[in-house]
Amino acid sequence: KQEVTQIPAALSVPEGENLVLNCSFTDSAIYNLQWFRQDPGKGLTSLLLIQSSQREQTSGRLNASLDKSSGRSTLYIAASQPGDSATYLCAVISGGSNYKLTFGKGTLLTVNP
Amino acid sequence: NAGVMQNPRHLVRRRGQEARLRCSPMKGHSHVYWYRQLPEEGLKFMVYLQKENIIDESGMPKERFSAEFPKEGPSILRIQQVVRGDSAAYFCASQAVLAVDNYGYTFGSGTRLTVV
Repeated sequence: KQEVTQIPAALSVPEGENLVLNCSFTDSAIYNLQWFRQDPGKGLTSLLLIQSSQREQTSGRLNASLDKSSGRSTLYIAASQPGDSATYLCAVISGGSNYKLTFGKGTLLTVNP
Repeated sequence: NAGVMQNPRHLVRRRGQEARLRCSPMKGHSHVYWYRQLPEEGLKFMVYLQKENIIDESGMPKERFSAEFPKEGPSILRIQQVVRGDSAAYFCASQAVLAVDNYGYTFGSGTRLTVV
């Protein structure tokens, strides 16, 4: 059974700092890994999708890496801004799972001005 | 393309009433997934449907919960005789074909159910 863990559960940083969010998964047989952002009381916004054959993806100030063999992914946020404050969720699609997502519990990020 | 539309956004029900949550997938999408987010917990898979078929309901509670995705109209998640423990955010995601290894999923804004 696939399990996804995100560390830390919460992170508070001053504006402008670079930061890394961590995600680990127990079964390396995944199709892809997706990072989402969730604002309080809102839905999920897809940030980055990394296919199982890829090592990283970049979008603006965000960079996500994937090491399938070790079951790890990181989301790097450069030059953080108060608008980046949200919960960041990591999710994987595992082989033989009917393509359903298994989510971590998320990292609550607060960027202080 | 309006994206994945869920309604209502907020729903309040008294214990024992029925709750009906609707999800209209993106145009052309025939695969729908429902997830539930309980307070202080991560999102959990509930059910996977294709048009007129339930493919995987392994995450659905055995009683009081049902889901459908008819040939015409939105997908419906139905909760009968709601209890306080059903209070949660319910999210729907859709996909055109099972090419999620390339495209990932798009989620709706969710329905927040409160049982009083």
